Amino acid sequence: DAKTTQPPSMDCAEGRAANLPCNHSTISGNEYVYWYRQIHSQGPQYIIHGLKNNETNEMASLIITEDRKSSTLILPHATLRDTAVYYCIVRVAEPYSGGGADGLTFGKGTHLIIQP
Amino acid sequence: DAGVIQSPRHEVTEMGQEVTLRCKPISGHDYLFWYRQTMMRGLELLIYFNNNVPIDDSGMPEDRFSAKMPNASFSTLKIQPSEPRDSAVYFCASSLFLQPNYGYTFGSGTRLTVV
Repeated sequence: DAKTTQPPSMDCAEGRAANLPCNHSTISGNEYVYWYRQIHSQGPQYIIHGLKNNETNEMASLIITEDRKSSTLILPHATLRDTAVYYCIVRVAEPYSGGGADGLTFGKGTHLIIQP
Repeated sequence: DAGVIQSPRHEVTEMGQEVTLRCKPISGHDYLFWYRQTMMRGLELLIYFNNNVPIDDSGMPEDRFSAKMPNASFSTLKIQPSEPRDSAVYFCASSLFLQPNYGYTFGSGTRLTVV
């Protein structure tokens, strides 16, 4: 079963905020939400992650609902170079348990197209 | 840091030949991952290593695929014999996993075409 649900594609005008939704209704208390993107012909690129609180970095903001069942990635001022496939991933992070790291499981993601 | 380095960027080979893909992770990263990407199946995890030891190879499709990590700075993915259905982009990624606030860093990939 897929852990996340994302729309297959979205359009956004250049210069506007791009808001990418992700549903993860079965998320567990110890699972983080990660966002990656993949620009054409490149490897996936880490964007941001969070557990409960909203997070912001130089690339984007991550808004997680209080019940943690969904989240939104926000690119505040989208540019043409932000055209990419965006992946929302939930994953356990157990830094001190000594357990094996589950590799990231990528779904189909959202193809975000920034229009000039 | 130069990031995760993969070679070659492109590889074209004939069916039945042996193919070796190479990866140099970021220095100090404890985890190394091999992924394969196709249009039909998307990104699939093949195998990952922790401190040079293979931890989970359940994603390796067949015995024709093998991966090694002889030291902390080098890993190989080998396909022998190669088949047309192995054509894909193969990505290597590394991570300092024990820090939860850290994502994976992916290389630029090797585009493999088996004819």
